[in-house]
Amino acid sequence: QLQLQESGPGLVKPSETLSLTCTVSGGSISSSTYYWGWVRQPPGKGLEWIESISYSGSTYYNPSLKSRVTISVDTSKNQFSLRLSSVTAADTAVYYCACSSWYSKYWYFDLWGRGTLVAVSS
Amino acid sequence: QSALTQPASVSGSPGQSITISCTGTSSDVGGYNFVSWYQQHPGKAPKFMIYDVSNRPSGVSNRFSGSKSGNTASLTISGLQAEDEADYYCSSYTSSSIVVFGGGTKLTVL
Repeated sequence: QLQLQESGPGLVKPSETLSLTCTVSGGSISSSTYYWGWVRQPPGKGLEWIESISYSGSTYYNPSLKSRVTISVDTSKNQFSLRLSSVTAADTAVYYCACSSWYSKYWYFDLWGRGTLVAVSS
Repeated sequence: QSALTQPASVSGSPGQSITISCTGTSSDVGGYNFVSWYQQHPGKAPKFMIYDVSNRPSGVSNRFSGSKSGNTASLTISGLQAEDEADYYCSSYTSSSIVVFGGGTKLTVL
């Protein structure tokens, strides 16, 4: 059964780069049916889609974050990653990695990691 | 791209039915049958409940149903149970090829 697990620093300083990794277990990240993505949720607020990537490397970005965001896939480690540059306090959120495992559409997330809280503070 | 509009809260008694609305535009909800719904309990990750407006993934109770009329999608929960108390989010694909979420609705089971 496919499972996702986020990892990365829980605290990042303002103006620095937030880096998170999602480790995929129970399946291959290279599968042609999977889309991988990141969604965040500021404390007490709603969900915000950040970006998604296909098995072939096609990427899809939230335009409000596009200039600061990079998503990548490491097939050798069965992981995908998020990098968000020039962070501010507004980037404080629970970050979820997520997957479209059955529907082959990057706008559906049928599988989620548990989420990891990242705080931006000096 | 603006977030989809949902009521902040809805409530209902056990056994009743409730409906949560999700209003967008012709560029998202009204333009595509790519509306989905997620359930989120406090401190937990969202759970995928509805896709393609009205389809349920395997394992989701048939008490949950979705529909759409024009630019507004709806999630209906029938036979309300205490365990349904959670936050609910709608989402849609958009003409800009991006994903947009609603602001979320807190469901209280009285």
